[in-house]
Amino acid sequence: DIVMTQSPDSLAVSLGERATINCKSSQSVLYSSNNKNYLAWYQQKPGQPPKLLIYWASTRESGVPDRFSGSGSGTDFTLTISSLQAEDVAVYYCQQYYSTLELTFGGGTKVEIK
Amino acid sequence: QLQLQESGPGLVKPSETLSLTCTVSGGSISSSSYYWGWIRQPPGKGLEWIGSIYYSGSTYYNPSLKSRVTISVDTSKNQFSLKLSSVTAADTAVYYCARLRPVFPDYWGQGTLVTVSS
Repeated sequence: DIVMTQSPDSLAVSLGERATINCKSSQSVLYSSNNKNYLAWYQQKPGQPPKLLIYWASTRESGVPDRFSGSGSGTDFTLTISSLQAEDVAVYYCQQYYSTLELTFGGGTKVEIK
Repeated sequence: QLQLQESGPGLVKPSETLSLTCTVSGGSISSSSYYWGWIRQPPGKGLEWIGSIYYSGSTYYNPSLKSRVTISVDTSKNQFSLKLSSVTAADTAVYYCARLRPVFPDYWGQGTLVTVSS
């Protein structure tokens, strides 16, 4: 199975500052035939289901603010919140879908206001 | 607007079978573009994919749960279901149903807490 490791486990960022979350996969999730990275990012607020933010590692879901961006390729990925807002306090998860036989999520990163 | 709603018992006894149903509204479960799946989250912990199903009945299961899981679909009712047998306290979690596009979840139900306890 593909293991997804996120870092840090939590981070505190001042309002308006940049937040950066890392996700590393145990094997490449880049599919060579279409040059796409099979990785998504989700935001989960307390008491709510996860919300899709980013797929194909860098494609923003419709309606997601452009302060959220995804980057990376192969095994190393980053979710960046360019200017943290109060409503961005949440836990963020990465997920690989390269292995359709076993979808796996990272352990989550909790983002708080400093 | 697509909506998914989980339903089923909130309390299951150890060794028994957990059964949940997801009702899809605002869209057809028979769409060729999507899979449908179950994901769970133990209290205070991360997300675990349980399995996915296509409207034709084709399924994928998490290898760690495969021996205990059955996911089925009823296109006439626009529903799909989860059965997890021989449950233990470790199966206590919020269970989410979701639409997959076709392998990453893009719409989620609100989730239902299932507690395994005698």
